[in-house]
Amino acid sequence: AAGVIQSPRHLIKEKRETATLKCYPIPRHDTVYWYQQGPGQDPQFLISFYEKMQSDKGSIPDRFSAQQFSDYHSELNMSSLELGDSALYFCASSPAGGGDTEAFFGQGTRLTVV
Amino acid sequence: GENVEQHPSTLSVQEGDSAVIKCTYSDSASNYFPWYKQELGKGPQLIIDIRSNVGEKKDQRIAVTLNKTAKHFSLHITETQPEDSAVYFCAASLGGSYIPTFGRGTSLIVHP
Repeated sequence: AAGVIQSPRHLIKEKRETATLKCYPIPRHDTVYWYQQGPGQDPQFLISFYEKMQSDKGSIPDRFSAQQFSDYHSELNMSSLELGDSALYFCASSPAGGGDTEAFFGQGTRLTVV
Repeated sequence: GENVEQHPSTLSVQEGDSAVIKCTYSDSASNYFPWYKQELGKGPQLIIDIRSNVGEKKDQRIAVTLNKTAKHFSLHITETQPEDSAVYFCAASLGGSYIPTFGRGTSLIVHP
């Protein structure tokens, strides 16, 4: 079965650079969520999209932005990177606007800022 | 907002023993409680979930119980195996929105 695809799997950037993370949800899933997980930490919700519109916003820094495209894939854009942005970034998708339905996580993108 | 507490942070058991992980939540409006297993370098994988209209749910060696009055829920793994070793996260979600608040995670180590 198709899963959530994230790219790239690993990314190394220098401070103050920009990074773009991509997420391809499971086919027919219209809702995408982004999470940030620091070392030894639980996943922290950043932002979500439903039908290409932002639906919820969590602890996403102003330096980050995201959008969902017409094909439902989503991109997380991160600017002015800081050392503290080094983390695993997960994308999850779910069908039918979310609610109390199961969401499936991708394998994550490991971002290292040096 | 919702606050989820999870204990213990680390749990070490012998193969074949049972393991229990406990979580409490703060918002009585939460009605969806998923449990995730995260292996090293991988994304969280849903292993079982429970909704507020159910007190207990079982799937083979894993079971989850929910006490809405006390606002706590627990994961039970019986006959543990080394491949059960991973970090387990509980989560709570408010009605109408999937977005879960995660607990801090429990690192389960099953010794062969």
